[in-house]
Amino acid sequence: DAEITQSPRHKITETGRQVTLACHQTWNHNNMFWYRQDLGHGLRLIHYSYGVQDTNKGEVSDGYSVSRSNTEDLPLTLESAASSQTSVYFCASSPDRDEQYFGPGTRLTVT
Amino acid sequence: SQKIEQNSEALNIQEGKTATLTCNYTNYSPAYLQWYRQDPGRGPVFLLLIRENEKEKRKERLKVTFDTTLKQSLFHITASQPADSATYLCALDRNYQLIWGAGTKLIIKP
Repeated sequence: DAEITQSPRHKITETGRQVTLACHQTWNHNNMFWYRQDLGHGLRLIHYSYGVQDTNKGEVSDGYSVSRSNTEDLPLTLESAASSQTSVYFCASSPDRDEQYFGPGTRLTVT
Repeated sequence: SQKIEQNSEALNIQEGKTATLTCNYTNYSPAYLQWYRQDPGRGPVFLLLIRENEKEKRKERLKVTFDTTLKQSLFHITASQPADSATYLCALDRNYQLIWGAGTKLIIKP
């Protein structure tokens, strides 16, 4: 069955370190998204991609970057981790403008 | 900017009753609206999508309405069951992206 996976599921890192969160989908979807979810807030869009070599900034992109070298993967990099980036991160994919399929999430703690 | 409001307080419903969740939005006219379910420690799961030209959409025990004049969507679960307990998120389309509400926690009591 097609799926979307994220790794690691939990990560603790120190302030200032570079961190990369992986997202891999086997749906063959063109569209992929990265969100963060914090208590009291809705999901907030960090970056998104509509296809290979395409990347776009979302609402809260400062301090994050993505790259899309193939259809299946959209890694999210925190260039220099900050305590404000402690959050739960979700990756999602979609075939078109309709429903999104989410991964299980990565809980990131920056100390 | 667009704002989406969902009841921040948990909604407690007796098993067998109909649960109704509200999603209000301002400053925008979305082409469509989606509802998702999220269980603790998991990613959201898509439930229903309703377009601006649709008044109502149904799927099994779920029903969604979309009132573009009131800028409101209602999400109903009929014959609710304890297994329906979860957080329910609404999301609005904005130029091929989704803008999300913070969600409403629904608790179905046996």
